Amino acid sequence: AQSVTQLGSHVSVSEGALVLLRCNYSSSVPPYLFWYVQYPNQGLQLLLKYTSAATLVKGINGFEAEFKKSETSFHLTKPSAHMSDAAEYFCAVSHNNNDMRFGAGTRLTVKP
Amino acid sequence: GAGVSQTPSNKVTEKGKYVELRCDPISGHTALYWYRQSLGQGPEFLIYFQGTGAADDSGLPNDRFFAVRPEGSVSTLKIQRTERGDSAVYLCASSLDAGANVLTFGAGSRLTVL
Repeated sequence: AQSVTQLGSHVSVSEGALVLLRCNYSSSVPPYLFWYVQYPNQGLQLLLKYTSAATLVKGINGFEAEFKKSETSFHLTKPSAHMSDAAEYFCAVSHNNNDMRFGAGTRLTVKP
Repeated sequence: GAGVSQTPSNKVTEKGKYVELRCDPISGHTALYWYRQSLGQGPEFLIYFQGTGAADDSGLPNDRFFAVRPEGSVSTLKIQRTERGDSAVYLCASSLDAGANVLTFGAGSRLTVL
């Protein structure tokens, strides 16, 4: 069965600094990979998804992620953090939608 | 509707009671999912419906948990004899169909069992 591991339950950056949230996946077949964001007391929102097209995926709010098969990674990045980026971020993997599995999440804090 | 709607948003109950949580998916979405999110953890898969039938219920933790979707739209998650460990946010999501389509999540129902 597929799974994802998010390295670091909590990441803190200064406003304007690079954001890097790590995700490694385990899958026996080519996966679909997703990043979701969850703001306090809200549902999960899709940031971006990888579906075997371009390996560099651009999402909303300036985020992007790169699929690296050799490293089984799908790390999320943003060049310059904004205060409004503070939230919980979840990496997820699936082969088709009925088997989507989430990581434990990474809480991003942005310091002024 | 415009999004996935879940009711109630908050439910407080006593240990041993029965609760129902409702999910109204996006109109036309044939696939519906229930996840459970405990504090500080990622969403944990419970059950997946394709139309009216439960295509995968392997995530239901035990037989106290049951879900239905009788007309292929609204779904109800039912928990019998609630326990304190059932306290969590129960998330519902829907998608057009299986495949690489995106899951759209509701805001969740926060269940607290005293």
